[in-house]
This record gives sequence, C-alpha cells and structure tokens, in this order.
Amino acid sequence: QSVLTQPPSVSAAPGEKVTISCSGSSSNIGSNSVSWYQHFPGTAPKLLIYDDDERPSGIPDRFSASKSGTSATLGIAGLQTGDGADFYCATWDDSLSAGVFGGGTKLTVL
Amino acid sequence: EVQLLESGGNLVQTGGSLRLSCAVSGFTVSAYAMAWVRQAPGKGLKWVSGITASDTIFYADSVKGRFTISRDKSRNTLSLQMNRLRAEDTAVYFCARGRLSDVGFDTWGQGALVTVSS
Repeated sequence: QSVLTQPPSVSAAPGEKVTISCSGSSSNIGSNSVSWYQHFPGTAPKLLIYDDDERPSGIPDRFSASKSGTSATLGIAGLQTGDGADFYCATWDDSLSAGVFGGGTKLTVL
Repeated sequence: EVQLLESGGNLVQTGGSLRLSCAVSGFTVSAYAMAWVRQAPGKGLKWVSGITASDTIFYADSVKGRFTISRDKSRNTLSLQMNRLRAEDTAVYFCARGRLSDVGFDTWGQGALVTVSS
C-alpha cells in the first residue's frame, strides 16, 4: 500500500486529454514539491515534471501538472498512442524521512 | 554524455549479501544527490535509499539496518551494499541522479536485477 494514492488505470482516445491524480498528506505532498515520471516496462523511468509543475528540457508542453493542498494532478493533452505507459507521482515524506512514490497509473490510449 | 550503469545484480540466497554498483560518467558523483529505486516484478517503483551532495543518508524503513548506500569519489561510483536479503527484496534496482527534496531524478540507469530465493 503506497503512501501516495493514484488510480490504477486511466484510458482515453488519441487526441483527447487525460488527468492522473495523486493524493497524499500534509507530511508529503502538503509540504514538499512533487515529481512525475513516465515508465515503460523494462526501461529507465523518465522525469516528466519536477518541482510541482516544471518540465525538464525536451518534455513537450502536452504534459502539465498542478498541486493543491495534499493532492497533485498530471495532465496529458493531445494523447498519442505512444503515450501509453505507467505514470508515477513522487515526493519526499517528512515523517518517514524518505522518498515515496505513488502506486502508479497505467495509461491506455485506445 | 551523462550516464549511469548499474552492475552486480545476481541470484542470491535468502539471508545472503550482494553489492550493487552504479558507474557514473559525464558528471562527478559527489556533486549531486543520488538514490536507489527498485521495482519488484509486477509492482510499482519504490524508493530505497538516497544520499545528498553533502553526504546525508536516508533509507526506506523496509531496508534500514540491512542496506548501506555509499559513493566512491575516486572511482566515481555509487554503491548499495545489501545484507540479510529477503525474498521481498527481489527487484530491478535503478540508480538515479537528482534531488531528494522532490524525488526529482533526471538521470537513471537501466537497472540491475536482484533475485533472492531460497
């Protein structure tokens, strides 16, 4: 059971927009910035978002994120079939003095 | 080119030990925060351990007292010494570079498979 809660799966059609939620608490999302990752099985995870809403160079602006209180949201616009992957939120937890990941959300682009 | 390359993954018996290494190229390992993240078969990513640029060390509760993270500045490597291994430690272990404060890791290795079996 993960400290950060994500929906197990989401799906949408090509061209549409999808959002993935990440719910935490005051000791993690409520007091630290959030990162988001895209992970294709068998490969290295890719950083999509850091510092709540910042994109590393090379990440298209189709990927966006926001945070409010103890929840964060990743948005992916203009879905492409190649976007189908597992997505994870992550942050630091002050109570655990450790990093934490969400359980992951599998995105299916229909 | 910035690159991380893990090695040392293997099959080990329950209760045994294993040392993972992460060879760093393109930057100085001591200048950045580094971490280990693992993924058990069919499961999600789990943060294992991290070390800040100033050498402060953190561990997940599940590995505290059994795993030790370290870095060798002369060899430019990051290591994870794993003792008293359990079946639930079976996973692909990734080393990563970045910030511990938001678990924002911009560079990852390809992973090393550790299998713990009796």
